[in-house]
Amino acid sequence: AVQLVESGGGLVQPKESLKISCAASGFTFSNAAMYWVRQAPGKGLEWVARIRTKPNNYATYYADSVKGRFTISRDDSKSMVYLQMDNLKTEDTAMYYCRSATDYWGQGVMVTVSS
Amino acid sequence: DVVLTQTPPTLSATIGQSVSISCRSSQSLLHSNGNTYLNWLLQRPGQPPQLLIYLVSRLESGVPNRFSGSGSGTDFTLKISGVEAEDLGVYYCVQSTHAPPTFGSGTKLEIK
Repeated sequence: AVQLVESGGGLVQPKESLKISCAASGFTFSNAAMYWVRQAPGKGLEWVARIRTKPNNYATYYADSVKGRFTISRDDSKSMVYLQMDNLKTEDTAMYYCRSATDYWGQGVMVTVSS
Repeated sequence: DVVLTQTPPTLSATIGQSVSISCRSSQSLLHSNGNTYLNWLLQRPGQPPQLLIYLVSRLESGVPNRFSGSGSGTDFTLKISGVEAEDLGVYYCVQSTHAPPTFGSGTKLEIK
């Protein structure tokens, strides 16, 4: 069965950095584009970042709200995808979900940005 | 970006009632490869979203067949034929035909 397990969330202060991770299993990870999607408390779903596969040069894409601050990466040898979040803002507070291109989702990891 | 408009925003149903949720797209979701990448998700309270329907009408493995999807182009519908208590939550449509992927604003299903 497909499994996505996020880790690394927590409480940070504004302008600090945090890196969250997602461990994937149950499918051919190297063939799959991967996404990070977030959900602020009580709100809807917002796409954050996308990374394509090796044949597509691991191309990356970002929502305007995080461009220049967040970096998505992957390690196909470990079936892992990461999100490096720098210069965090209070409005980045949300549950962050790892999502596969075929719409499988992890349980999510909470990121809270507060002073 | 493609805008997905879901209606109604909330839905109140009794057990056994059939309900429908609409998802309208600002652009056709027909991909040049012939597929239409429109999925339906259910997010139960305190849970992550889970896939119900993919490619408009294909039922994800393990999902009860009281769920069905239909539509084409810009208009799509999720139908639940005989609501059960476990169906409560927020339903989202999501498109991946056009980058970036976008989500509808959600339809909250409440059980009377």
